[in-house]
Amino acid sequence: QQQVKQSPQSLIVQKGGISIINCAYENTAFDYFPWYQQFPGKGPALLIAIRPDVSEKKEGRFTISFNKSAKQFSLHIMDSQPGDSATYFCAARGGSTLGRLYFGRGTQLTVWP
Amino acid sequence: DTAVSQTPKYLVTQMGNDKSIKCEQNLGHDTMYWYKQDSKKFLKIMFSYNNKELIINETVPNRFSPKSPDKAHLNLHINSLELGDSAVYFCASSQAMNTEAFFGQGTRLTVV
Repeated sequence: QQQVKQSPQSLIVQKGGISIINCAYENTAFDYFPWYQQFPGKGPALLIAIRPDVSEKKEGRFTISFNKSAKQFSLHIMDSQPGDSATYFCAARGGSTLGRLYFGRGTQLTVWP
Repeated sequence: DTAVSQTPKYLVTQMGNDKSIKCEQNLGHDTMYWYKQDSKKFLKIMFSYNNKELIINETVPNRFSPKSPDKAHLNLHINSLELGDSAVYFCASSQAMNTEAFFGQGTRLTVV
């Protein structure tokens, strides 16, 4: 059973545009929601993370919006750049997961000039 | 000064062989993990160790055996390799079980 559902699978955005990736979860025990960025041939790298006691977190051009009642969270990339082209994974952890991260299936983002 | 390093980066081997992947972290973390990324890029945890003690053992064939000689190392040994084992294997570490996880560069295993 997929613990975290992510959409879209792929996303093409023009340079300067806004990229939006959505995730949904079921387990209300989750209390930590990170986003990872992965470039080809590299490992996932933490981009930004949020806990459910806040509804939004912003770091530079990257913002997480969190809706606890809907059990959804999303990543917004403002002013998208070609260098942002990568695969993005949402994830969730908490409760009795013993540190285990449950990943979404990833979104392949392409930002074209 | 790589934080989480894995060796080898690429591994091509024949079916039936036994192989090992090594992982070392120099962050002083207590917890280490192995994740598998399949051909569709889906990441799923396989094992985790905390202070050399096995904490998570997902539904993974017995052919996969992790070994943690000390807190800085978590190696993955795979017996009788099968075609379906082909994937990218990532090692990761975190200070504790509920803190940020840092991933290595991955080991691309190809079984032919």
